[in-house]
Amino acid sequence: AQSVTQLGSHVSVSEGALVLLRCNYSSSVPPYLFWYVQYPNQGLQLLLKYTTGATLVKGINGFEAEFKKSETSFHLTKPSAHMSDAAEYFCAVSDRPSGTYKYIFGTGTRLKVLA
Amino acid sequence: GAGVSQSPSNKVTEKGKDVELRCDPISGHTALYWYRQSLGQGLEFLIYFQGNSAPDKSGLPSDRFSAERTGGSVSTLTIQRTQQEDSAVYLCASSPRTDGETQYFGPGTRLLVL
Repeated sequence: AQSVTQLGSHVSVSEGALVLLRCNYSSSVPPYLFWYVQYPNQGLQLLLKYTTGATLVKGINGFEAEFKKSETSFHLTKPSAHMSDAAEYFCAVSDRPSGTYKYIFGTGTRLKVLA
Repeated sequence: GAGVSQSPSNKVTEKGKDVELRCDPISGHTALYWYRQSLGQGLEFLIYFQGNSAPDKSGLPSDRFSAERTGGSVSTLTIQRTQQEDSAVYLCASSPRTDGETQYFGPGTRLLVL
């Protein structure tokens, strides 16, 4: 079965500091992995995704993530946090075995950026 | 271009009433998904449409929940005899490819059952 674990429901960083949000997955097939961001009272916006190919993927707003099969991880990073990065971040794996490609989400990480 | 839209954006109802939530996917997207976001349960899948068919309804929490999609486009999620535990944000997403990949989410409908 597919599953996603996000370590740390709340993460605080100082403005300008490195952002690291952790995501580990379990999948019976090569996974499709996604990071989404949710700002207050808004829907989910795609940050980046991994399906095949290069394991280091770059997304919007300076975020990137690296797919590490050996560690079953897909951690999200950004070199320098900005106040506007404060939001909730969700990691998801696509349920490919079912044929529906529905998402299985992690529980989310709320990022707080301190001035 | 236009994204996924949902209406209403907010809905307050009394326990026992029926509600209908609407989703307008991105034009041409064949796959459509409903999810529910609640404090206790996080983001959970409800139902998946491929065209007008719903091959996966496994996430619907009870028979009070139903959904349909018409014309391969608009979808309606109906909750009958609402309960307080139905209070949540209901998110709709659409995807252009039958083999999955990126889903594009609407802004959600925030449902409060009093």
